[in-house]
Amino acid sequence: DTEVTQTPKHLVMGMTNKKSLKCEQHMGHRAMYWYKQKAKKPPELMFVYSYEKLSINESVPSRFSPECPNSSLLNLHLHALQPEDSALYLCASSQVALIADTQYFGPGTRLTVL
Amino acid sequence: TQLLEQSPQFLSIQEGENLTVYCNSSSVFSSLQWYRQEPGEGPVLLVTVVTGGEVKKLKRLTFQFGDARKDSSLHITAAQPGDTGLYLCAGRNSGGSNYKLTFGKGTLLTVNP
Repeated sequence: DTEVTQTPKHLVMGMTNKKSLKCEQHMGHRAMYWYKQKAKKPPELMFVYSYEKLSINESVPSRFSPECPNSSLLNLHLHALQPEDSALYLCASSQVALIADTQYFGPGTRLTVL
Repeated sequence: TQLLEQSPQFLSIQEGENLTVYCNSSSVFSSLQWYRQEPGEGPVLLVTVVTGGEVKKLKRLTFQFGDARKDSSLHITAAQPGDTGLYLCAGRNSGGSNYKLTFGKGTLLTVNP
């Protein structure tokens, strides 16, 4: 089983709202990732978690706050977003983070910020 | 910064035709992955290639990793409308920050019935 699940599938929020995106994998992977993808562009890395600890923050604005409650779950908390933050947010996982390893992506959350 | 040049960027063909998508770099990658993505969905892994010169086949899809591990190609034989999608190559850096996937810009393939 190489499944990464994400909820919700679609999310519409105002600029003053607080919302969260959720990601789950049961492959025993110890590395999890958040990506942002604009239409017809490749995914852009936002955060990397390795063994439930934040390893990499690719200079992401603080209005995006990641959280890894356990080895299977990854959340992305959203607050005071801007319309330009509208995008497809992808979660991915791999066995480990710091060696050559295949990443498996979830289906994504389509976020619209009004 | 390692770059992956992917070409062509857009490709529209008729059902039954063959096509090849290329990913090229001046840098060496420890591995390279190919994904297919449909609109509004996440990328789905097609294959990972690791060894220089490696060739992998997945039904009508043939993937090749260059001998020097700097380039890769995806060849589709007798394309079908179900092959339509965005094809992404992504390489793992051979050293340094190898947690990061370097993505090509993608090839948007449309196969017309």
